[in-house]
Amino acid sequence: GAVVSQHPSRVICKSGTSVKIECRSLDFQATTMFWYRQFPKQSLMLMATSNEGSKATYEQGVEKDKFLINHASLTLSTLTVTSAHPEDSSFYICSARDRCGGWGETQYFGPGTRLLVL
Amino acid sequence: GQSLEQPSEVTAVEGAIVQINCTYQTSGFYGLSWYQQHDGGAPTFLSYNALDGLEETGRFSSFLSRSDSYGYLLLQELQMKDSASYFCAVKYYGNNRLAFGKGNQVVVIP
Repeated sequence: GAVVSQHPSRVICKSGTSVKIECRSLDFQATTMFWYRQFPKQSLMLMATSNEGSKATYEQGVEKDKFLINHASLTLSTLTVTSAHPEDSSFYICSARDRCGGWGETQYFGPGTRLLVL
Repeated sequence: GQSLEQPSEVTAVEGAIVQINCTYQTSGFYGLSWYQQHDGGAPTFLSYNALDGLEETGRFSSFLSRSDSYGYLLLQELQMKDSASYFCAVKYYGNNRLAFGKGNQVVVIP
């Protein structure tokens, strides 16, 4: 099946620093990528929809200036957590939609990035 | 609006059958998906229902009834490796964004 990678898989940083997470579709082109956040024992919450070549669409309550998303190519989207604080510590997961997929296609999830802000 | 409700946890023995229900309050969606997530891992796709009825994929089956705003995932012949969280997710029209339910943790015991 289709493969989506994320880098880094785990990051620990100091409060106030910025962290960039990459999401790549390895064997298909993704016009749309999605960024989710998941706190322990909770569900995945969609943060934003990233469209190649255009601005991301953020879900209600997600600060676009804090979570910067760039989808510069059909295989790469990045999420930058700016001025990270301990409450931003979470599991960040991306998913990608195959541009050649039909209406019934699935989203392919990356392995996730675990962020810990000290 | 959107709301997907799932019960929280179930424990079952190996070889048993477990049904995980999902009720939703939304309209205008492509279909209902099911995902499995092991602790610390990413969600993996299990099944998808675009139309009403039952979809069978090996030991797992999924059902959708749009008129009842209800779906379920059926796990048969449970194995220890099936211990995980299971999420239903509605796929919306437009950009195919997914809205996940709260999830249901299944614990399989010997």
